Amino acid sequence: EPEVTQTPSHQVTQMGQEVILRCVPISNHLYFYWYRQILGQKVEFLVSFYNNEISEKSEIFDDQFSVERPDGSNFTLKIRSTKLEDSAMYFCASKEDSYGYTFGSGTRLTVV
Amino acid sequence: GENVEQHPSTLSVQEGDSAVIKCTYSDSASNYFPWYKQELGKGPQLIIDIRSNVGEKKDQRIAVTLNKTAKHFSLHITETQPEDSAVYFCAASYRTGGSYIPTFGRGTSLIVHP
Repeated sequence: EPEVTQTPSHQVTQMGQEVILRCVPISNHLYFYWYRQILGQKVEFLVSFYNNEISEKSEIFDDQFSVERPDGSNFTLKIRSTKLEDSAMYFCASKEDSYGYTFGSGTRLTVV
Repeated sequence: GENVEQHPSTLSVQEGDSAVIKCTYSDSASNYFPWYKQELGKGPQLIIDIRSNVGEKKDQRIAVTLNKTAKHFSLHITETQPEDSAVYFCAASYRTGGSYIPTFGRGTSLIVHP
């Protein structure tokens, strides 16, 4: 069964450093998303991406965040200057023009 | 915006019992309600969904019900098995065109004791 692949599974970074979280969506999917889940809290929407541009973003997705689809297969989330409160599980998801998302296994980001 | 409340946060049952997880939503425009199962170390996986033109949907041991008037929907798992142990998330969304952004509940940790 096709999967959404995320790397790394766990990333530890110093506060103020830049991090890039990587995702390989399912190849024929058209819509791409990033979500995050702070420990014990809800899964929160960050951004959606379609046709090589951001289609929607939440209040969380401020100027410190950016997304890119650099080569037609990878979908990345960059956090420019990490803060302690950015520590969370980050999930990438993709879908065709259908209802259900396919999520990746997530990247646990720990900012120290 | 949409607000989804989910209860209980933890549910412990014996193998073979039924489990029910309940969610409420606030936006009457929401018309699509997926349920996700998240096993340890994995991302959420869609297990069943229901659209607002349907009141109930069943898939083997899993069923979902939707009450649009009361704005609540529920997940029912019958004959629970230890492998059903996971975190379950409900979500509500309004679908426009090809894209929708679901709002998730806080999750229910289901523990099935053998």
